Formats: sequence, C-alpha cells, structure tokens
Amino acid sequence: QVQLVESGGGLVKPGGSLRLSCAASGFTFSDYYMSWIRQAPGKGLEWVSYISSSGSTIYYADSVKGRFTISRDNAKNSLYLQMNSLRAEDTAVYYCARDSSSFRFWGQGTLVTVSS
Amino acid sequence: QSALTQPASVSGSPGQSITISCTGTSSDVGSYNLVSWYQQHPGKAPKLMIYEGSKRPSGVSNRFSGSKSGNTASLTISGLQAEDEADYYCCSYAGSYVVFGGGTKLTVL
Repeated sequence: QVQLVESGGGLVKPGGSLRLSCAASGFTFSDYYMSWIRQAPGKGLEWVSYISSSGSTIYYADSVKGRFTISRDNAKNSLYLQMNSLRAEDTAVYYCARDSSSFRFWGQGTLVTVSS
Repeated sequence: QSALTQPASVSGSPGQSITISCTGTSSDVGSYNLVSWYQQHPGKAPKLMIYEGSKRPSGVSNRFSGSKSGNTASLTISGLQAEDEADYYCCSYAGSYVVFGGGTKLTVL
C-alpha cells in the first residue's frame, strides 16, 4: 500500500533553515509528480510546491518562492523540502502528497514551528 | 495565486443534502477540469473525495458528487450523516500553481 512518511520538522528560530524529507513506498516513486502542502495551526490548506517525476519541472507558491527548494532522489524514493529564511508565518504542519493535480495519498505531516 | 472562495460554514440535518460552492477565476477553475475536493476531520490528514471535477475515488460514498460551471465548482453531499461533519476544501490545478479554497466547516445538526 502507498505510504508517505515525513520527517525533519521541529522548532527553528526566525531566519533559520530546516530540511524536510518524505519517504515514499508502495508505488513506483519515479513515475509520479510529488507535492508539498502545508496547514498553519487552525487554518486551511496551502499548496507549497510540486516537482515532476524527473525533477525537471518545479513550481512554488509565491509565499515561498526564493526561500524554499523542492527536490527528489528517485533512487532513494525520497522527496525533500529545503526551507531557508524561515518566518513565523511558515509555522505549519507540512504534508507531502502524491501527484500535482489531485492528492489521493498524503503523509501524516510534520510540524514546523518558527519561533524565537 | 489567490485562494479559491468557499463559504466559511454550512449546516444541514441528517438525511438532507447540502452544497458547498468554490469560486475561482478563468485562470484556474475556469480553465482546467482539475478541481478536487477534500474532507478533513480534526487532527487527520485530508482525504480526497472528488477529483477531476466529478470523479469519485474508489471507496468514497456515492453520496458525494461534484460539478462545475464556469469559474465555480460545487460539492454536493446527499443523505447527510453525522460522520460527514468535517472541514471541506476545494482545490484547483492551474499549471504553474495549485490553489486551495479557504475551507468550509460542515455541521450536521
């Protein structure tokens, strides 16, 4: 069965960096686009970024462009999100999800807290 | 990349039907037949209920249906049940971005 497991969340100071990982299993990872979606505490869902199956096509939400970098390692069945220059408003649960146009499979999420 | 517009809340009694609207623009909802809907219970990851505007993933009750007209998509839930009480989000693919609605809290009275 499809499994997505995020890791790497935690507490970080404003201006700091964090790298999230998403380990995928149960499907041919290299065949699928992958996405990051976040949800601030008590708020709605916000798309962050998606990456094509080969990694050649990448898009970001305006709110993270220039600060976040999505990447993948198909040999390791893993998706990553490098987050730099973190702000308080980046505090959220970060989910990885399979595909880019609709999201049938989600991880359990990893909490990122940006606070001094 | 402005969020899609959904009502903040809707309510209905068991057995009734409700409809949640989701309004976007000609750049997202209006241009792509790639609207999806998600159900989210507190503390849980979202669950896909409708994709490509009106298709149901296997395992999703046929009480859930989706449609679209112009820049507005809709989710209808018929025969409301207590377990339908949750937050619902619409989402549209738009090529270079993906956008969610602000979410609608469904209360089953």
